[in-house]
Amino acid sequence: DIQMTQSPSSLSASVGDRVTITCRASQSISSYLNWYQQKPGKAPNLLIYDTSSLQSGVPSRFSGSGSGTEFTLTVSSLQPEDFATYYCQQGYSTPWTFGQGSKVEIK
Amino acid sequence: QVQLQESGPGLVKPSETLSLTCTVSGGPISGNYWSWIRQPPGKGLEWIGYIYYSGTTNYNPSLKSRVTISLDASKNRFSLKLRSVTAADTAVYYCARVVGARPSREFDFWGQGTLVAVSS
Repeated sequence: DIQMTQSPSSLSASVGDRVTITCRASQSISSYLNWYQQKPGKAPNLLIYDTSSLQSGVPSRFSGSGSGTEFTLTVSSLQPEDFATYYCQQGYSTPWTFGQGSKVEIK
Repeated sequence: QVQLQESGPGLVKPSETLSLTCTVSGGPISGNYWSWIRQPPGKGLEWIGYIYYSGTTNYNPSLKSRVTISLDASKNRFSLKLRSVTAADTAVYYCARVVGARPSREFDFWGQGTLVAVSS
């Protein structure tokens, strides 16, 4: 199985901050890395697919980059509705696996 | 807009079989992978498996011996059966779609999730 490791596991930030979350794969996954946002009691919501493609309807302050084994999700200017937990997921090979999550909290 | 809705019992006894159904509306079954994912309370996400519209299945090896996913395309729904459950199977269970044409295999539409507790 491909292991996905996110860092940090949690962070505190203020509205307007630039936030970056990193996801590392235990082996190369090409560009097949996806990012989700999950709020309490809700299903995850797809933000970014294939490393850097923005899902329809997702604000442009979200962006993704990387390749191979290291990937990042960036929120350029954190908004109140962005406080949530973020997960990466590899679609390179089954079993499809997720990172452990990164919780973004209000400072 | 594609919508998915899980249904099934919210409580299952240990050693019995967990059975859930996901009904799909607003889009075709064909061309897509239909997945189950679970999330234990307060924990992360675990992919359980998928069924392709053709009927091909693929399961997480960690659950493969206990899982069956089936598809009823005529009724636009697919189902999960997890046998011999224990308390460790207590989780919110989600159904989700993966578009077959996209190689990155992202889950683009999700059900709202249903909490299944395993307890006597």
